[in-house]
Amino acid sequence: SQTIHQWPATLVQPVGSPLSLECTVEGTSNPNLYWYRQAAGRGLQLLFYSVGIGQISSEVPQNLSASRPQDRQFILSSKKLLLSDSGFYLCAWSVWTGVLAGSYNEQFFGPGTRLTVL
Amino acid sequence: SQQGEEDPQALSIQEGENATMNCSYKTSINNLQWYRQNSGRGLVHLILIRSNEREKHSGRLRVTLDTSKKSSSLLITASRAADTASYFCARGSQGNLIFGKGTKLSVKP
Repeated sequence: SQTIHQWPATLVQPVGSPLSLECTVEGTSNPNLYWYRQAAGRGLQLLFYSVGIGQISSEVPQNLSASRPQDRQFILSSKKLLLSDSGFYLCAWSVWTGVLAGSYNEQFFGPGTRLTVL
Repeated sequence: SQQGEEDPQALSIQEGENATMNCSYKTSINNLQWYRQNSGRGLVHLILIRSNEREKHSGRLRVTLDTSKKSSSLLITASRAADTASYFCARGSQGNLIFGKGTKLSVKP
């Protein structure tokens, strides 16, 4: 069966510090991968998605970046965190849809990382 | 806004009652999905209904889709305290999924 891991579960970082959040998927190959952010009491905002190794699409301009160094690994980074980067970060995967974006199939979410920037 | 919009924003019911949540959208879709989120956790997929389907069931869940009205509803029958969570609809079109802001359901024992 497939599983998706995220770490760390919680993180408190000072403004201006770097960030690295990691997401890994097991039990599937060549998945589509996604990073979302959820502000308190709000819906999900898609930040990045990837249809393959090294292929990253950004949905929202910001000071965050994403990388996919391996097929089942997705990393969210920042060089300098802002207060507005606080939120709940969720990684998700879906069955590969090639170059198409991932709205044709269900998505499977990780447990999330709660980031607080002080 | 391209987001699906759920209503109500919050719903409080007694155990055993039915809960109905609605979702409206503005553009064409190829599917509409419903997800559940327990507090502080990731989302869990509940049901996917395609644009050529009108109704779908899964256990105590019933989802309807009316593409002419651009709306969908999620019905949870015989609710339980464990159903307390936020419920999101997500619109699938040619791009990525677009999530609404969710309905917060509270089921009181």
